[in-house]
Amino acid sequence: DVKVTQSSRYLVKRTGEKVFLECVQDMDHENMFWYRQDPGLGLRLIYFSYDVKMKEKGDIPEGYSVSREKKERFSLILESASTNQTSMYLCASSSRWVGAGGDMETQYFGPGTRLLVL
Amino acid sequence: SQELEQSPQSLIVQEGKNLTINCTSSKTLYGLYWYKQKYGEGLIFLMMLQKGGEEKSHEKITAKLDEKKQQSSLHITASQPSHAGIYLCGADFGYSTLTFGKGTMLLVSP
Repeated sequence: DVKVTQSSRYLVKRTGEKVFLECVQDMDHENMFWYRQDPGLGLRLIYFSYDVKMKEKGDIPEGYSVSREKKERFSLILESASTNQTSMYLCASSSRWVGAGGDMETQYFGPGTRLLVL
Repeated sequence: SQELEQSPQSLIVQEGKNLTINCTSSKTLYGLYWYKQKYGEGLIFLMMLQKGGEEKSHEKITAKLDEKKQQSSLHITASQPSHAGIYLCGADFGYSTLTFGKGTMLLVSP
């Protein structure tokens, strides 16, 4: 079974702190993703990565950065946490897509990190 | 405007009743994924649909993709408390990422 783990289930931080959210997958997947989930807004893509040291902006990258130094690990960094970054953060991974309409592989999700910024 | 609309936003059904959740796209889908999420947890993959007219079933859950590949439905037969949760559809529009609907919260009353 695919396993995606996230470093913390719950996290409380203060405004202005630097926050690191870690995600690890054990299936040798090429693709990794970070989302945030908010009531009424659904799941929104922050950043994703196709390979080690590669990253692409998603729909809402502002205020976030990412790091992928090893294939199995994808980190989300909040450089200076703000209260509007209080949210549920979900990490996901998948095998490489061949291309639109080609072979697809689903995304597997971690359990989520609920972050509260005070 | 939202590329992917889910309806209804929430649903309360009596145990044993059938229900349907819809996911409608503003454009043709390359593929459609259904996930279930228990409150405060990650998403669990249910099913993936790729071909127009495709239908898949797992236990009491059936998902269909219409011929035009713009609408999908998720049907639960004889609902049980274990079916309660948030159901999300995710669309592959060919961008190599998924776009998700806002989710449907399902409550099953005894």
